[in-house]
Amino acid sequence: GESVGLHLPTLSVQEGDNSIINCAYSNSASDYFIWYKQESGKGPQFIIDIRSNMDKRQGQRVTVLLNKTVKHLSLQIAATQPGDSAVYFCAENISREGLNTNAGKSTFGDGTTLTVKP
Amino acid sequence: KAGVTQTPRYLIKTRGQQVTLSCSPISGHRSVSWYQQTPGQGLQFLFEYFSETQRNKGNFPGRFSGRQFSNSRSEMNVSTLELGDSALYLCASSPNPQGSNEKLFFGSGTQLSVL
Repeated sequence: GESVGLHLPTLSVQEGDNSIINCAYSNSASDYFIWYKQESGKGPQFIIDIRSNMDKRQGQRVTVLLNKTVKHLSLQIAATQPGDSAVYFCAENISREGLNTNAGKSTFGDGTTLTVKP
Repeated sequence: KAGVTQTPRYLIKTRGQQVTLSCSPISGHRSVSWYQQTPGQGLQFLFEYFSETQRNKGNFPGRFSGRQFSNSRSEMNVSTLELGDSALYLCASSPNPQGSNEKLFFGSGTQLSVL
């Protein structure tokens, strides 16, 4: 699909360790970013989002970092649990006010499959 | 509040047939977007409807169409099915249109298999 950027297709971590999932985006006009988690048999679920006027946002056990200089986004999961095993997608958005043809829709990356070993 | 509901959950069709998929958004959500998910292509945007109007369209052939009703429920139709249309079709809703810094709420999808 459209490339949000470089990603690792799979990541395997030990239960209790911290996980870092990376995503690079290509469109410098993107101003809103979202991480989704997709478990088997379900649709993607919202985890956390960040706007381009921020470089870090924290949630419960999750942190998103945004580096606009190198167009890089990461999702950090603290104390990873077996229930965190899923496919993780980053999505970039461009506010519809712009003239960019990609405005007004979420463009998804290819996803990273996280496996948590007990 | 009930989540996004998609029906049917599974569909098996043969080449050349047409199919209609249904989506009921979360109550109060007026935007419905459709995505196609395949192992090779990831999530690809099909189209978005808001207040019964198509606001945005992805790069899919005209065989793919949709509509939205006054109660915000949406349907998408694929005509003259091809083998390559086999995919998980996901519907997502949000209170306001995409491009308004809205996160999407997804249904569990309709798994379409074209034989």
